Parts: sequence; structure tokens; C-alpha cells
Amino acid sequence: QVQLIQSGAEVKKPGASVKVSCKASGYTFIDYYLHWVRQAPGQGLEWLGWINPKRDGTIYAERFQGRVTMTRDTSISTAYMQMTNLRSDDTAVYYCARCSSCPLGNYDMDVWGQGTTVTVSS
Amino acid sequence: DIQMTQSPSSVSASVGDRVTITCRASQSLTDWIAWYQQKPGKAPKVLIYSVPSSQGGVPSRFSASGSGTDFTLTISSLQPEDFATYYCQQAIFFPLTFGGGTKVEIK
Repeated sequence: QVQLIQSGAEVKKPGASVKVSCKASGYTFIDYYLHWVRQAPGQGLEWLGWINPKRDGTIYAERFQGRVTMTRDTSISTAYMQMTNLRSDDTAVYYCARCSSCPLGNYDMDVWGQGTTVTVSS
Repeated sequence: DIQMTQSPSSVSASVGDRVTITCRASQSLTDWIAWYQQKPGKAPKVLIYSVPSSQGGVPSRFSASGSGTDFTLTISSLQPEDFATYYCQQAIFFPLTFGGGTKVEIK
């Protein structure tokens, strides 16, 4: 079945960087864009950006430009999200999610990873 | 950024009740909106994408309607497994944005 399996929880100090992985299985990795979304404790959902695994193209939410980098390794069907200069308010669960029909419109999220908890604390 | 105003923020309901959640966008989305269900400690799950199309495997008691700026998600007869938080998402403009969520609780 279609799955996105993410890397394990991380604890980082302010100013550090984190890199979260998202391994796809059950479908052709390069055929579907991948979103990254985060959810702070007790809060709603926030979109960070997406990556086109086929062409390695990315779009980032403006507020994360310069701090977030999305990459992929097609040989192992894995996408990555790196965030630098972490702050305490970056503490959240980070999800990868597949886009069912990008880039043709309706940029929804039809399959989600299980989430990776990133805690930023001194 | 497109603001997605979701209401109510919470609703208490009983099994068998009809529940309606609304989402208003700050500009027209035509029909590019998705709805998600999230249970505590779990990732969201898509219910509806590109109104009114439902995701395969989603019970028929979930339906969506609307266009432009005003959208609704309706649960026709609430079941025990439907107690969760529901989010709308505008699926066309960058940055993609979500509503604040509606928590459906047991009365």
C-alpha cells in the first residue's frame, strides 16, 4: 500500500538545524509532489512548501524562505526537509504529505506520513 | 495570504446528529478546497478534495458543498468514530493555508 514513513523524533537546541526524512513506498516516487506541513502543540496546520521529486523543483512558503530546504534522493524514494536556525516556536510535529494532483490544480494532500516530532529547547 | 475562517471552532453533538462545519475564504477559490479529519496523536486524513469529490473509502455520510468563498462539510449522521478535529484547506493559492479547525466532541 501507499505509505510515507518519516524519521524519528528530534530534540535540538535553539540555533541548530534539523533534517527530517520521508520515505515513499507503494507508488512511483517521482510521479507525485510532496508537501511538508507542521503542527505546533495544540495548534492548527501550517504549510511549509513542496517539492517536485521528478525535477527537484521547490516552492516554499515565504515565511520559511531562507530557513527551509527541501531535497530528495530518487534512488531511495526519499524526500528531506531541513530547517536551520531553529527557535523554540519551531517545536512541532512535521508531516510530509503526497499531493494527489499537483501541479494541475487542487493542491491537496492524499497520503500523509506519521509525523516527526521536533522539539527545540535549551 | 488567503485566510480560511472555519466555524464553529468546536461543537458538541450526539451520535446520529447532523453536523455542519463551514469555511469561508478571503477570496474566491472556485472549488479548490480540501477537508481533513484528524484524531488525537494521528496525522490528518483527507476526506474531501476538490469539492464535492470524496476520497475513496470515505463514508457517504460525509459530504461537501460550496464554491467561491463559502464551503461546508456535512456529517449527515454522526458516528462514534467521527469525533475528531476537522480542517479545511485552500488548495490553489500559495502559500496553501488551512482553517483553524473544528473539534467535534461528544455531548
